[in-house]
Amino acid sequence: GAGVSQSPRYKVAKRGQDVALRCDPISGHVSLFWYQQALGQGPEFLTYFQNEAQLDKSGLPSDRFFAERPEGSVSTLKIQRTQQEDSAVYLCASSLSPQWEQYFGPGTRLTVT
Amino acid sequence: RKEVEQDPGPFNVPEGATVAFNCTYSNSASQSFFWYRQDCRKEPKLLMSVYSSGNEDGRFTAQLNRASQYISLLIRDSKLSDSATYLCVVPLTGANNLFFGTGTRLTVIP
Repeated sequence: GAGVSQSPRYKVAKRGQDVALRCDPISGHVSLFWYQQALGQGPEFLTYFQNEAQLDKSGLPSDRFFAERPEGSVSTLKIQRTQQEDSAVYLCASSLSPQWEQYFGPGTRLTVT
Repeated sequence: RKEVEQDPGPFNVPEGATVAFNCTYSNSASQSFFWYRQDCRKEPKLLMSVYSSGNEDGRFTAQLNRASQYISLLIRDSKLSDSATYLCVVPLTGANNLFFGTGTRLTVIP
């Protein structure tokens, strides 16, 4: 079956621009996660949804980061007024339950110039 | 102390060698553990899940030592295609996310 998909795969933004990253989870997966991965590091948790409810956003680095999942399926991670330190790969993952295996999308590589 | 710690390596081993990675975790209440594999510029992919004392899948064996709070991954008869970064992953009980180690880089040399 189809896995997790993300778009765009690559995004170049000028500092100060807003960006929106999309994630389509595996059908039927109620849990959806966003991670940020810097070069040479493991993924770092950003936020978690169970269906449409955002239950944990403790990993969002600043109030410029905002995520939503209005219908409990597709999710969007928005970054306002991008800064160079936002450059990273943003990974989306989904699972049947937060304590179970997570399946990752290919990621969006964001470069802020 | 970090939630999950791994030796970053790199580990450079010849084809056919046996190699083992260790990972320590801080939360003694954690019940499940995972090893993910991540190829360069790719997403992490689940390699093995560990829910009890260990798990074995072909050339790969994961072992859990709850008393010492570490998980190991053993790869036997290394193949060139095993070259990747191996991420140790621990969900924290009561938390809604996975904690990833920084990964251990393995290169299998012909």
